[in-house]
Amino acid sequence: DAKTTQPTSMDCAEGRAANLPCNHSTISGNEYVYWYRQIHSQGPQYIIHGLKNNETNEMASLIITEDRKSSTLILPHATLRDTAVYYCIVRVDNYGQNFVFGPGTRLSVLP
Amino acid sequence: KAGVTQTPRYLIKTRGQQVTLSCSPISGHRSVSWYQQTPGQGLQFLFEYFSETQRNKGNFPGRFSGRQFSNSRSEMNVSTLELGDSALYLCASSSPLSETQYFGPGTRLLVL
Repeated sequence: DAKTTQPTSMDCAEGRAANLPCNHSTISGNEYVYWYRQIHSQGPQYIIHGLKNNETNEMASLIITEDRKSSTLILPHATLRDTAVYYCIVRVDNYGQNFVFGPGTRLSVLP
Repeated sequence: KAGVTQTPRYLIKTRGQQVTLSCSPISGHRSVSWYQQTPGQGLQFLFEYFSETQRNKGNFPGRFSGRQFSNSRSEMNVSTLELGDSALYLCASSSPLSETQYFGPGTRLLVL
């Protein structure tokens, strides 16, 4: 699976959009981009994933660049409860393939 | 639909003992994966079971083992516990229709 690069930490004001970048310049054509987050000491929570098109669900939007070498997770109106570590993972959706978690981005939503 | 459940949630053991952790996947999910999370190493993949067979394995010593039952529930066992085995052990399940993994709350193991 391709390696990802994320900023170590970011701050965001409550109520504003949080834009979390992820670089995956070595991604291959059949690798999906997944985002998870982990609130302190809880299990990781699935947020969203996509292959090449932008995706949106009730939690967030995922914007993938046309060359697929980077993506951005957007939390449109961040709340204090969105404070967490956010993981960007790229992987092939083959059965039996595990998720490889990097250090992620620690997002702090400030009041 | 109920989420992934893990028992026990907290556990204290001493060096040399063994421990068994349990994971019940989301109903209908047949794949169960186990991960270890420590402050130093982060989240690391242990192994994955599908239809009672280990399908994928991470780079952990043989003291770490697992199994899956016909109802897709899974257990992992750690024998001869070491201090370094203190960690949050996470279980995740996925359905046959999607590779998205859904995680349980974890079991926090402390080895003294």
